[in-house]
Amino acid sequence: QQQVKQSPQSLIVQKGGISIINCAYENTAFDYFPWYQQFPGKGPALLIAIRPDVSEKKEGRFTISFNKSAKQFSLHIMDSQPGDSATYFCAASMDAGNNRKLIWGLGTSLAVNP
Amino acid sequence: NAGVTQTPKFQVLKTGQSMTLQCAQDMNHNSMYWYRQDPGMGLRLIYYSASEGTTDKGEVPNGYNVSRLNKREFSLRLESAAPSQTSVYFCASSEVGRFRVPYNSPLHFGNGTRLTVT
Repeated sequence: QQQVKQSPQSLIVQKGGISIINCAYENTAFDYFPWYQQFPGKGPALLIAIRPDVSEKKEGRFTISFNKSAKQFSLHIMDSQPGDSATYFCAASMDAGNNRKLIWGLGTSLAVNP
Repeated sequence: NAGVTQTPKFQVLKTGQSMTLQCAQDMNHNSMYWYRQDPGMGLRLIYYSASEGTTDKGEVPNGYNVSRLNKREFSLRLESAAPSQTSVYFCASSEVGRFRVPYNSPLHFGNGTRLTVT
């Protein structure tokens, strides 16, 4: 059962454009929403994250928008660059007793054309 | 600071062969994880270890075994490899642990092992 739905599966954007990746979740117990970036041949790395008590978080060209009532969150990449070409994963995290449970989206492959 | 180191980087096995994937982290993290990544299926958790001496099953544990050798090392073993186990395997670690659950502890991933089973 996919508890975090991510779209689109792939995305092509021109250099300088805005890339938008959307995620939706079902379980209201999730309390932390990270985004990971993965370059070819590398492991994923944390890019940016948000808690549900905040509607927006910005770090440089990367912004997370969070809509708690709709149970949706999205990643916006402003002024997209060819170096942003990577796979992006959203995730949702919740307490699970003595550990944290992390549910992943299926990923979005982003290609930024020069 | 090496972070999470995985060996080998590439491996080809014949059906029925066994092998162990090695993982070590130098960040003094409590928790360690093994994921597999397949096209269109995202990252799926195989096993995890919340602390030295403990291991738990994830989403797709069948066909795998793990050992948390010490706080630094977490190995994944395929006893009898099958073509369905062809995948890229990632090891990860985080501060999250049995007695401390900081919500914002990120996962730190290694660069993966590409395994092909023929």
